[in-house]
Amino acid sequence: DVKVTQSSRYLVKRTGEKVFLECVQDMDHENMFWYRQDPGLGLRLIYFSYDVKMKEKGDIPEGYSVSREKKERFSLILESASTNQTSMYLCASSPTADTQYFGPGTRLTVL
Amino acid sequence: AQSVAQPEDQVNVAEGNPLTVKCTYSVSGNPYLFWYVQYPNRGLQFLLKYITGDNLVKGSYGFEAEFNKSQTSFHLKKPSALVSDSALYFCAVRDKTGFQKLVFGTGTRLLVSP
Repeated sequence: DVKVTQSSRYLVKRTGEKVFLECVQDMDHENMFWYRQDPGLGLRLIYFSYDVKMKEKGDIPEGYSVSREKKERFSLILESASTNQTSMYLCASSPTADTQYFGPGTRLTVL
Repeated sequence: AQSVAQPEDQVNVAEGNPLTVKCTYSVSGNPYLFWYVQYPNRGLQFLLKYITGDNLVKGSYGFEAEFNKSQTSFHLKKPSALVSDSALYFCAVRDKTGFQKLVFGTGTRLLVSP
């Protein structure tokens, strides 16, 4: 079975803090994705990566950055957390562009 | 731009009854369509996909979806609902512009009552 793990299930941070969300997949997938999920808005793509050290902006990249130094690991960084970044963050990996395998999510609260 | 719409925020159905969760799409060319499910406190799981071929696609947990080109719809169905089917369901379409990423709908919450 494909396994995608995320470093934390719940996270509470203060405004202005730098936040790191880690995602690791064990299936040697080329593609990895970061989404945020908000009620009524569905999933929105923040960033994705199709290879090591490669990254592409998704639909809502503002306020976020990413890092992919190793194939199995894709990190999402909030340089200076703000309250409007309180959300559920989902990581996914995929061998192709369609069938994606998701991690359990990190619920981030920014106070 | 490719998009999908899920017109219902919530669908309520009694256990044992058939269920339908609606999805319509807007794409140029032939669509690649998907359904994902999210159980409480879990990540999304792939259910099924339509790429080409038979308009009725069968997926996991007894779900199926019907592709209808004339109505630009891809509704998710199950003949007999279970309480354990209660979850959040997302329709998605592959964006064919640039990198072929998925575009998700806003989600429909399915509640199956005993």
